[in-house]
Amino acid sequence: EAGVAQSPRYKIIEKRQSVAFWCNPISGHATLYWYQQILGQGPKLLIQFQNNGVVDDSQLPKDRFSAERLKGVDSTLKIQPAKLEDSAVYLCASSSPPGLAFYEQYFGPGTRLTVT
Amino acid sequence: AQRVTQPEKLLSVFKGAPVELKCNYSYSGSPELFWYVQYSRQRLQLLLRHISRESIKGFTADLNKGETSFHLKKPFAQEEDSAMYYCALSTYSSASKIIFGSGTRLSIRP
Repeated sequence: EAGVAQSPRYKIIEKRQSVAFWCNPISGHATLYWYQQILGQGPKLLIQFQNNGVVDDSQLPKDRFSAERLKGVDSTLKIQPAKLEDSAVYLCASSSPPGLAFYEQYFGPGTRLTVT
Repeated sequence: AQRVTQPEKLLSVFKGAPVELKCNYSYSGSPELFWYVQYSRQRLQLLLRHISRESIKGFTADLNKGETSFHLKKPFAQEEDSAMYYCALSTYSSASKIIFGSGTRLSIRP
């Protein structure tokens, strides 16, 4: 099966600019996650979708970050305006349909964002 | 709150030597624990999970509830084991959500 797709792979922007990332999960996976991974740290969950509904966005900085999954398939994550501390790898992951316990998450290649 | 701690940022061992990557967790209930691995230029992927009681690529991990640990072990390291390893935790009340540790980079010397 095809894996989780993400684009772009790399992005360099100046602070206060905006940026958007795109993710296409594995076909049939209802749950989609966006993570932020700062250098030297583990992935931190930003937002979790179940189909097109938000399950958890408690760690999403909502003053500047937004995400949507309008049709329950692919998703976009936006940062506006970006700050220097947003420099990180943004990972998208998807997991098996509901009904299975302790979902294995399948990760995309990530987008490396550098804010200058 | 749930927390996963990996005390070693870097672990370097010789090929053929035993490997133990440490992981401690903080959670008052019964957790489910995982090890994820990221090889160079590859995606983060699941290595093994406690619930499956499996051995993958020679690695095993035992959940010790008394010590709240889930250390990853391999008796004889191979060069292809060099990678970044993340311990992760999930709970029965939130089975789809995973909390990751900060990771340990394992380097196998020839």
